[in-house]
Amino acid sequence: EDQVTQSPEALRLQEGESSSLNCSYTVSGLRGLFWYRQDPGKGPEFLFTLYSAGEEKEKERLKATLTKKESFLHITAPKPEDSATYLCAVWSGGSNYKLTFGKGTLLTVNP
Amino acid sequence: EADIYQTPRYLVIGTGKKITLECSQTMGHDKMYWYQQDPGMELHLIHYSYGVNSTEKGDLSSESTVSRIRTEHFPLTLESARPSHTSQYLCASRAGQGNTEAFFGQGTRLTVV
Repeated sequence: EDQVTQSPEALRLQEGESSSLNCSYTVSGLRGLFWYRQDPGKGPEFLFTLYSAGEEKEKERLKATLTKKESFLHITAPKPEDSATYLCAVWSGGSNYKLTFGKGTLLTVNP
Repeated sequence: EADIYQTPRYLVIGTGKKITLECSQTMGHDKMYWYQQDPGMELHLIHYSYGVNSTEKGDLSSESTVSRIRTEHFPLTLESARPSHTSQYLCASRAGQGNTEAFFGQGTRLTVV
């Protein structure tokens, strides 16, 4: 069964303090790893898709990387508006119909 | 921005009532999904559809039912709402081909009193 574990559960940063969020996964044949941002009371907003180890994607202050066992979401010089829950999900060959989500990391950026 | 819409955004309803949560997408996606999410918890898949007239139950057992009569429409129905159904319901869709990302609606926050 596919498993996704995100750490830490919660992270509090000062504005401008860079850090990384971790997503560890166990799947039978990774077909894609996805990062989403979710604001309170709203649906997840798509950020990145990564397909193979070594791949990197960037968007503004966010950079996602992928290895064979985990993915990192690097946040450079975060701003208060980056505060949200960041979700990681995987799509595997063992399950051709669903995304398996982690519990997410709640990021708070203080001004 | 994803073109997938859920209504209502918020619903407070009494026990025993029948409710239908609406989900529509204008992207022509074949695959559609319903997830349930409690506060601070992960998303759990409750229903999915590969296309018109195709519906399957997800991993999390749910008393709700779904239908897919049109590609763009994937409503979820609870015949008799109970307080245990109180949750956030999220609808998503993705293109049929390839390992593409799923796009989510804004969700329906359901409270059964």
